[in-house]
Amino acid sequence: AQKITQTQPGMFVQEKEAVTLDCTYDTSDPSYGLFWYKQPSSGEMIFLIYQGSYDQQNATEGRYSLNFQKARKSANLVISASQLGDSAMYFCAMREGVGGYNKLIFGAGTRLAVHP
Amino acid sequence: AAGVIQSPRHLIKEKRETATLKCYPIPRHDTVYWYQQGPGQDPQFLISFYEKMQSDKGSIPDRFSAQQFSDYHSELNMSSLELGDSALYFCASSLGQLRDRANEKLFFGSGTQLSVL
Repeated sequence: AQKITQTQPGMFVQEKEAVTLDCTYDTSDPSYGLFWYKQPSSGEMIFLIYQGSYDQQNATEGRYSLNFQKARKSANLVISASQLGDSAMYFCAMREGVGGYNKLIFGAGTRLAVHP
Repeated sequence: AAGVIQSPRHLIKEKRETATLKCYPIPRHDTVYWYQQGPGQDPQFLISFYEKMQSDKGSIPDRFSAQQFSDYHSELNMSSLELGDSALYFCASSLGQLRDRANEKLFFGSGTQLSVL
């Protein structure tokens, strides 16, 4: 079974608008971490934001916030005030605390295009 | 701040040749991971090391081997290269924690683009 599911292969957004990238996950481990990475066309993998399964509040990092809904097993990334430089591939990833703690598992990614 | 350093940045090899990719983790990070990302694919986990010992193994072919050295840098050795090995190879590092490791953040290098001709 897929551990991380990103159902949006591609998304478009107008500059200065907000956009939500979807991510659902599957785990039976009570302890896990959820991560979002950005991969621009240059190829590097840039860490954006992290949410722990026991965190009470949704994570925020500047213009990035994570809409964490534990019961629904979703961890959507919200980018506010989109900029042209946000155009990139975005990967959701999960690390399990017990069973799979030695690795990060990635979703298929969502390609975001920001239009002027 | 120092980041994960990977070398070389680009590598071109012929079929059946060997290749060695190097990774220098962020200072004080004791855990290293290797990932392979094919064109248009998500990164696939290959292997990880914690304190110089292999900690987990993913979909790494038998033709590949890796190790972590005493200074925590790691090398991925690839032999009998095939066309399908052409990919972006990422190394990542993290600081291992004694207890729950779910919240360890992985920081990635810029990757090595391997092209097998």
